[in-house]
Amino acid sequence: KNQVEQSPQSLIILEGKNCTLQCNYTVSPFSNLRWYKQDTGRGPVSLTIMTFSENTKSNGRYTATLDADTKQSSLHITASQLSDSASYICVVSANSGYALNFGKGTSLLVTP
Amino acid sequence: GAVVSQHPSWVICKSGTSVKIECRSLDFQATTMFWYRQFPKQSLMLMATSNEGSKATYEQGVEKDKFLINHASLTLSTLTVTSAHPEDSSFYICSARDPQGGFYEQYFGPGTRLTVT
Repeated sequence: KNQVEQSPQSLIILEGKNCTLQCNYTVSPFSNLRWYKQDTGRGPVSLTIMTFSENTKSNGRYTATLDADTKQSSLHITASQLSDSASYICVVSANSGYALNFGKGTSLLVTP
Repeated sequence: GAVVSQHPSWVICKSGTSVKIECRSLDFQATTMFWYRQFPKQSLMLMATSNEGSKATYEQGVEKDKFLINHASLTLSTLTVTSAHPEDSSFYICSARDPQGGFYEQYFGPGTRLTVT
């Protein structure tokens, strides 16, 4: 069964600090892994997309890593801002990328 | 980047009535659109896949007679919740697949909050 597990479930950090979110998956055959940011009451917005051959990808202060051997990914947020408060969702695609498997997300709260 | 819109952004309806939600791809033609439902603190759950000009494919457990999907053009898909009940209250999100995008990229709409009273 294809599964995507994220940790922690929720996280509170001070503005300016860094944090790392984790994603473990059992999706097979693997196609690609995506990280999305979802603000409350809004649709998900893509942050990064990585294929099997990519180990790291950055998008501004967001850096995602992928270890396809251990089936783990992380999202590192640098110098957090209040606007980073949101749910971060790990999504893993199987086969040719058509079917999406969603994690439950990590709820991040950045406080002043 | 590609933009997907939804209308309305929120709607309140009485139990037993029907409500229609629109999903539009604004700057690309989407041969395939997807409808998701999200309950509080839960992940997105795929309800159905909508292909332009053909019948939608529903996920197991989703009532096709209750959630009517129409994909009449390459830029518009609609979801109609018929005879809505309070348990249908949820956040409905659509996404559109851009065939020109890499890795079968899906772009998500901003969502529609449905409250059934």
